Amino acid sequence: KNQVEQSPQSLIILEGKNCTLQCNYTVSPFSNLRWYKQDTGRGPVSLTIMTFSENTKSNGRYTATLDADTKQSSLHITASQLSDSASYICVVSDRGSTLGRLYFGRGTQLTVWP
Amino acid sequence: EADIYQTPRYLVIGTGKKITLECSQTMGHDKMYWYQQDPGMELHLIHYSYGVNSTEKGDLSSESTVSRIRTEHFPLTLESARPSHTSQYLCASSNGNSAYEQYFGPGTRLTVT
Repeated sequence: KNQVEQSPQSLIILEGKNCTLQCNYTVSPFSNLRWYKQDTGRGPVSLTIMTFSENTKSNGRYTATLDADTKQSSLHITASQLSDSASYICVVSDRGSTLGRLYFGRGTQLTVWP
Repeated sequence: EADIYQTPRYLVIGTGKKITLECSQTMGHDKMYWYQQDPGMELHLIHYSYGVNSTEKGDLSSESTVSRIRTEHFPLTLESARPSHTSQYLCASSNGNSAYEQYFGPGTRLTVT
């Protein structure tokens, strides 16, 4: 069973609308949580990274929240643009490894229509 | 934009051929990683390296091998490609432990016919 679960699996919204993507994790002990954007045929690019003590972090129109008690995170996209169409991947790392090993969700495929 | 490069970007090859996927980074990062990703699925770590002359197998068993002779270079080799090796291969690097950012290359889409 994957230790990082994302929902929804896919989402279609109209340009200009807002949306929220969800991430639940069981990774322990927790180190940090990241949201990546992956365009089709490209490597993931980091949007935000949050540690245990951070509840929210913004990067332009992207705002991530973290509830370490319930082990949940969300990524809110404001005023969506066509270029936001991509897969958004939630990634959690643990404190038990010096490697920097990451646990990946399967991603939410977002499509923004004009 | 991360300074990590992968070649080729796309490769279609016949069964039984030997292939090497190249990965290079110019950021001076000690740690490098290879991930395998199938469509709609999560990334799986197949190899990693702490530094020069250090290589380890990841969580997902892979028939590929890697080498780390230079800090900036982390090639992945398949001695005999099979259709089951068809996938996207992503290379990444970081400058520290799990608290640090991992930077990903653009990936190599491999198709074995």
